[in-house]
Amino acid sequence: AQKVTQAQTEISVVEKEDVTLDCVYETRDTTYYLFWYKQPPSGELVFLIRRNSFDEQNEISGRYSWNFQKSTSSFNFTITASQVVDSAVYFCALSGGGADGLTFGKGTHLIIQP
Amino acid sequence: SQTIHQWPATLVQPVGSPLSLECTVEGTSNPNLYWYRQAAGRGLQLLFYSVGIGQISSEVPQNLSASRPQDRQFILSSKKLLLSDSGFYLCAWTENGNTEAFFGQGTRLTVV
Repeated sequence: AQKVTQAQTEISVVEKEDVTLDCVYETRDTTYYLFWYKQPPSGELVFLIRRNSFDEQNEISGRYSWNFQKSTSSFNFTITASQVVDSAVYFCALSGGGADGLTFGKGTHLIIQP
Repeated sequence: SQTIHQWPATLVQPVGSPLSLECTVEGTSNPNLYWYRQAAGRGLQLLFYSVGIGQISSEVPQNLSASRPQDRQFILSSKKLLLSDSGFYLCAWTENGNTEAFFGQGTRLTVV
């Protein structure tokens, strides 16, 4: 069975600070896919990134960066110079590549204070 | 480009009443379709998924059902709602299991 753990229930930082959201996963699949989604107060889930299990390169997109480490089964998300608009719930998710949907973590509520 | 529509946005229903939530996808063919529920506390739970017309897989036994009458239409139903059915329902689609899922705007259901 697959499992995604986001141990940080809520994080609160002051604007412009860097913040890292942790994600640890469990799977028996040799090929799998990891995702991050953002859920603003409006409720819609916004796709941020997908990472394949065979590609361990870290990725940077503007102020966002992702650190994928198979050795520790982690896929952490860092926001540099956080902004108030980054306030949201962030979900990490896992797929084995089949059609049977994503396994989500419980989410981390990120609060950026001005 | 592909878009996903889900309605209604909010719904307040009495216990024992029926439910019908609809989701449609535009701009793609033969998508995988999904219904998730997010109860208070934020976790997302997969309820149903479908890989084609008339093909429904259920992940959690409950008093809800799903149907896919057309390629890009996915419907979530109940004959009699329970208080525990309250939550935020999200429809999603993917091209296949390897790709990211795109979500609708969600329906906030309150059963009273």
